[in-house]
Amino acid sequence: QKEVEQNSGPLSVPEGAIASLNCTYSDRGSQSFFWYRQYSGKSPELIMSIYSNGDKEDGRFTAQLNKASQYVSLLIRDSQPSDSATYLCAVILYSGGGADGLTFGKGTHLIIQP
Amino acid sequence: DAGITQSPRHKVTETGTPVTLRCHQTENHRYMYWYRQDPGHGLRLIHYSYGVKDTDKGEVSDGYSVSRSKTEDFLLTLESATSSQTSVYFCAISERGGMETQYFGPGTRLLVL
Repeated sequence: QKEVEQNSGPLSVPEGAIASLNCTYSDRGSQSFFWYRQYSGKSPELIMSIYSNGDKEDGRFTAQLNKASQYVSLLIRDSQPSDSATYLCAVILYSGGGADGLTFGKGTHLIIQP
Repeated sequence: DAGITQSPRHKVTETGTPVTLRCHQTENHRYMYWYRQDPGHGLRLIHYSYGVKDTDKGEVSDGYSVSRSKTEDFLLTLESATSSQTSVYFCAISERGGMETQYFGPGTRLLVL
């Protein structure tokens, strides 16, 4: 059974600070890792994808992957009130079939306090 | 949501009635997916398609069927809706499947009374 675990929160962070979101996954064969942001009543929106161990930076966002520890995180620097949303961690266990679905965590609700 | 539309966006129906949800894409992507999102469960895969007339089951496929007669359209059918199928349904697309990113449509909110 593939599982992706996230702390549901809410995680409250002051404006301008660094928000740190964490995710663990159970299947060691997982090969693709994604962070989606979802505003209330809206669809998931891709923030970052990461495939290799280490850090990947895109603007204020940094994704970190540690496959040995089965751990992926998202850092948001200089947090803004507009970053307040639910952040979904998702993984793909690529089976070679070509159409593997995403396995999602239940999401972390992030609140940026002005 | 660019390039992906879902219809209807909201629907209220009664138990036992058939319901069809449509996902339409203009990106010419080969892979399409249907997910449902429920409080306490997160997003779960229902069915997916890897080409015209090529579909397969996901994690929570019981009570659902799908069809894909054209690249741009992927239909999800609830043959006889039940209250447990009250949910938000999202369609997603991916250009090459596998480990590639999936992009989501705006969603359909379905209430089964």
